[in-house]
Amino acid sequence: GAVVSQHPSWVICKSGTSVKIECRSLDFQATTMFWYRQFPKQSLMLMATSNEGSKATYEQGVEKDKFLINHASLTLSTLTVTSAHPEDSSFYICSARDREHLGYTFGSGTRLTVV
Amino acid sequence: AQKITQTQPGMFVQEKEAVTLDCTYDTSDPSYGLFWYKQPSSGEMIFLIYQGSYDQQNATEGRYSLNFQKARKSANLVISASQLGDSAMYFCAMREGPNSGYALNFGKGTSLLVTP
Repeated sequence: GAVVSQHPSWVICKSGTSVKIECRSLDFQATTMFWYRQFPKQSLMLMATSNEGSKATYEQGVEKDKFLINHASLTLSTLTVTSAHPEDSSFYICSARDREHLGYTFGSGTRLTVV
Repeated sequence: AQKITQTQPGMFVQEKEAVTLDCTYDTSDPSYGLFWYKQPSSGEMIFLIYQGSYDQQNATEGRYSLNFQKARKSANLVISASQLGDSAMYFCAMREGPNSGYALNFGKGTSLLVTP
C-alpha cells in the first residue's frame, strides 16, 4: 500500500534554532500534502495545505513565516519550524493525497521538543 | 464552528463486547466523506473505515462498521468483539469538497480503554 516516510520521528532542539521535517511518498505521487499539529491529548489541527509546485495555503492563525512549507516535488514535502520556541513543542504529522486514489496516507509523525 | 463533534472524551468497554463511538458532523456540501482513524500511543494514524455521502450502504471493514444516518448527520463507529489492542484514541474526520482543499477536519477524539 501507499507509504509516507516522515523524518525525523523525534527531535529535541534549542530555542531559537530551526528544525526541518521531511515527508516522502515512497510509491505514489503526493499531489497534495497536509500538515497537522497535535498537542498532547488534543485533536489534529490543520496547519497548511500544499500542492506540488504551488505556495502553501495556511490556516488562520498559523504564521507562514514561522512554519515554512516546501512541496517542490511530487514525492517530497518539508516543514521547517524557524526560530523554534518551547510553545512550538508538539507532534507534527503529514498526510499525503494522490490524485489517482484520493485516499489519505499519513506519515508516522514527528515529536518536536524545544528546550 | 466545530464541524466534527465527538461527545465522548473517554469510553470503557469489556473485552469481547461491542462499543459505539459517536460522531456528528456539520456541512452544507452535498459531497463529503467521513473517516475513522485509530491513534495508538505511538502516534501513527491508522485508517479504519470510510463512508461517502452518496453511499447507500453502511460501510463495514472486519470488526468495524459505520452507522451512517445522513439525515441526523451522524457517523458512529461500531467496534464489535473488542480486543485489548483496540485501546487507543479514535478520531472521526470529514473531507469536504474543493473549497476546503479536500483537507480532513478532525473531531476531538475519544479515548477507548478495553478492559479484560
